[in-house]
Amino acid sequence: SQQGEEDPQALSIQEGENATMNCSYKTSINNLQWYRQNSGRGLVHLILIRSNEREKHSGRLRVTLDTSKKSSSLLITASRAADTASYFCATAGGSYIPTFGRGTSLIVHP
Amino acid sequence: DAGVIQSPRHEVTEMGQEVTLRCKPISGHDYLFWYRQTMMRGLELLIYFNNNVPIDDSGMPEDRFSAKMPNASFSTLKIQPSEPRDSAVYFCASTSPRASGGSNTGELFFGEGSRLTVL
Repeated sequence: SQQGEEDPQALSIQEGENATMNCSYKTSINNLQWYRQNSGRGLVHLILIRSNEREKHSGRLRVTLDTSKKSSSLLITASRAADTASYFCATAGGSYIPTFGRGTSLIVHP
Repeated sequence: DAGVIQSPRHEVTEMGQEVTLRCKPISGHDYLFWYRQTMMRGLELLIYFNNNVPIDDSGMPEDRFSAKMPNASFSTLKIQPSEPRDSAVYFCASTSPRASGGSNTGELFFGEGSRLTVL
């Protein structure tokens, strides 16, 4: 399975701190995506990184991809209480159909 | 655009009853996905369509589950008969390679989900 696995399962930090979440996967991929899910809502796409890319930025988000280690990380800098949510990585292989991990639950305390 | 629209948002039913979940994808999107989310199993892909044709239904758990996409703007997921273990949040998502700026499916746009409780 190409399903990514996020680590840690849960993360609790103070507002202003950085939050780092990791995703590991087992087979080769074409792209990896990160999504956010607020409680009781649908998933919202954050960022997509292709297999030939190593790093991407979007606002306070920084995503890295290491295909040799089959891992990715999502860094949220200067976190805010509004960043409290679950974060999922989704890997896509030859079919380009995303397969989701189980997510990291992030709590940012004001 | 209003985004992906799902109905109902909440459904409570009794075991054995038929359940129909509905989805309206974003106009112009030619891929539609049905996912199921539970605490135990996370987010599972049930089935996906391309241009209204089911491409992969290997994630559909049992014959009790069926999905249709009669046209580009509507899809249903039906469970008949429903069982307590079907209780979950069911998500519909759509996308288009054009929306992703490339030849792959890329970014998925999710609806708000249908929370199903089977008693």
